[in-house]
Amino acid sequence: GAVVSQHPSRVICKSGTSVKIECRSLDFQATTMFWYRQFPKQSLMLMATSNEGSKATYEQGVEKDKFLINHASLTLSTLTVTSAHPEDSSFYICSARGQADQPQHFGDGTRLSIL
Amino acid sequence: EDKVVQSPLSLVVHEGDTVTLNCSYEVTNFRSLLWYKQEKKAPTFLFMLTSSGIEKKSGRLSSILDKKELFSILNITATQTGDSAVYLCAVMNYGGSQGNLIFGKGTKLSVKP
Repeated sequence: GAVVSQHPSRVICKSGTSVKIECRSLDFQATTMFWYRQFPKQSLMLMATSNEGSKATYEQGVEKDKFLINHASLTLSTLTVTSAHPEDSSFYICSARGQADQPQHFGDGTRLSIL
Repeated sequence: EDKVVQSPLSLVVHEGDTVTLNCSYEVTNFRSLLWYKQEKKAPTFLFMLTSSGIEKKSGRLSSILDKKELFSILNITATQTGDSAVYLCAVMNYGGSQGNLIFGKGTKLSVKP
């Protein structure tokens, strides 16, 4: 149980392109979903937290107009990196959680490369 | 400032060895401590610990929490090459960003044949 699917796993695109990443909880209802960014050899950095049907809460320093998050249903959240530039290249990981006292389960991540 | 500190940062052992990974924390409004294993992709959940002194076990892996000393350990017995990964410790607190996780930097474990 507790499977989280993230798609796509790899994106390579030109600077200025907008990229959409999907995160789905396959066998449970995700009240809350989280989006992280991970740089090489570093730990996960929380970008934003979203509850179904509400606006996302962004961490300090994360541009909400740059990283658009939608959590329209209990099983799907999307992260759109708008007008991506090379400095946005990174490993993006989503996680999902049911109730507040349950662990977060992670998707497989999306490696984004902006040329 | 909330923080989670893992040690050692990296560890090289041989198959069959037993290893102990450490995690200490200073976090306000502690709720639970979680261990994850990260190989090439995203972290996979291992354990969630909420109460002190109760060991959680899964096969060759076990973990325990000491809420008085603000410390947890993850033990792996009879290590195998497939145990090679980064092991992440994370603490969940009440409040803040709706109970988000505060991660340590991880312990990179390499198991040699």
